[in-house]
Amino acid sequence: SAVISQKPSRDICQRGTSLTIQCQVDSQVTMMFWYRQQPGQSLTLIATANQGSEATYESGFVIDKFPISRPNLTFSTLTVSNMSPEDSSIYLCSVLLLTGGYEQYFGPGTRLTVT
Amino acid sequence: GNSVTQMEGPVTLSEEAFLTINCTYTATGYPSLFWYVQYPGEGLQLLLKATKADDKGSNKGFEATYRKETTSFHLEKGSVQVSDSAVYFCALSDRGGGGNKLTFGTGTQLKVEL
Repeated sequence: SAVISQKPSRDICQRGTSLTIQCQVDSQVTMMFWYRQQPGQSLTLIATANQGSEATYESGFVIDKFPISRPNLTFSTLTVSNMSPEDSSIYLCSVLLLTGGYEQYFGPGTRLTVT
Repeated sequence: GNSVTQMEGPVTLSEEAFLTINCTYTATGYPSLFWYVQYPGEGLQLLLKATKADDKGSNKGFEATYRKETTSFHLEKGSVQVSDSAVYFCALSDRGGGGNKLTFGTGTQLKVEL
């Protein structure tokens, strides 16, 4: 498995501002992902964070709203830009481990509330 | 495209009761199947997995069998405990064409009472 940490664990932000969420892994991984979990809902993939290239975004998510950085194989950031109350969610990063059957492991999540 | 359908919750059981949470899937390739669990206030934890047809994943008394003929991956436990109260997510990963990303079901909340 992998140990994944996220910062911050939670935040309350004003609408119109931006928040950057950090994800740190204790080992080098090729693939990292960012998911959103809206209140009472399932998880939706935002994007795949690629090291050394631009992130690959899913339908309905755009780089201007959710810019992602992946400077190395153990770290990634997701920024939620120009926030509105609809962005209130839990944001989770995950990593794919190729050993042991392509398992994805998740960080503890960042609980974001936009007022 | 890929999709996962789970039974709706909440499911409320008495301690030591038998648990089944139904999960069916649609996939274009040959997916791997997973069950994740989310305890209150926590992140997702991988509970079990199966990577090919007829595989049985098991962990902590939970089991699920990959049934290709019925495209199902139902989660079962013979005797639930109060500590099993959580939200359970079925998911699939289509390693071939899906880029290893996970497609999740809507989640099923389980409440176990004394």
